[in-house]
Amino acid sequence: AQSVTQLDSQVPVFEEAPVELRCNYSSSVSVYLFWYVQYPNQGLQLLLKYLSGSTLVESINGFEAEFNKSQTSFHLRKPSVHISDTAEYFCAVSEPTSTGYALNFGKGTSLLVTP
Amino acid sequence: EAGVTQFPSHSVIEKGQTVTLRCDPISGHDNLYWYRRVMGKEIKFLLHFVKESKQDESGMPNNRFLAERTGGTYSTLKVQPAELEDSGVYFCASSRQGGIGGYTFGSGTRLTVV
Repeated sequence: AQSVTQLDSQVPVFEEAPVELRCNYSSSVSVYLFWYVQYPNQGLQLLLKYLSGSTLVESINGFEAEFNKSQTSFHLRKPSVHISDTAEYFCAVSEPTSTGYALNFGKGTSLLVTP
Repeated sequence: EAGVTQFPSHSVIEKGQTVTLRCDPISGHDNLYWYRRVMGKEIKFLLHFVKESKQDESGMPNNRFLAERTGGTYSTLKVQPAELEDSGVYFCASSRQGGIGGYTFGSGTRLTVV
């Protein structure tokens, strides 16, 4: 069975500082990996995903995540955060089936960016 | 295209009452998923529809929860009777066939049972 561990429940950081949100998963088979973001009073939005190919994936707003199979990790990074990045971030993993797939989420990490 | 719509956005009901949550997926999305987040815990999968058929309902917590998807369009999730532990945020998501690549989530319904 899959499980996802987000090691930090809250991460406070100053504006323009770098940040890393950690995610580890456990699975015995190949998986798909995702990061979702939930801004205040909004729904979950897909930030980036790893399906196959290059292990480094990027989002349009400067976040990146690297799939590390040996360490079963998919940490999310941004070299310089903005106030607007304040949100809750969820790591998720899925084992694809023929008809669709269910996501297993971590507990989420609240990123708080302050001036 | 319009996104996934859920309503109500908030619902406060008393223990023992019935509540029905509704989800309108993106038009043309055959896959519809329900998830729930109980406060302080992970977002948990509840069930998956493909069109009007329940493909996987392994995450439904008990028989007080009933999900339907009439005609393969919108879906409802009924809780009857509601218990205190049912409080949380209920998310709906939809995707095209297969859905590999990520879903589109709705904004969620925050259910509070008092």
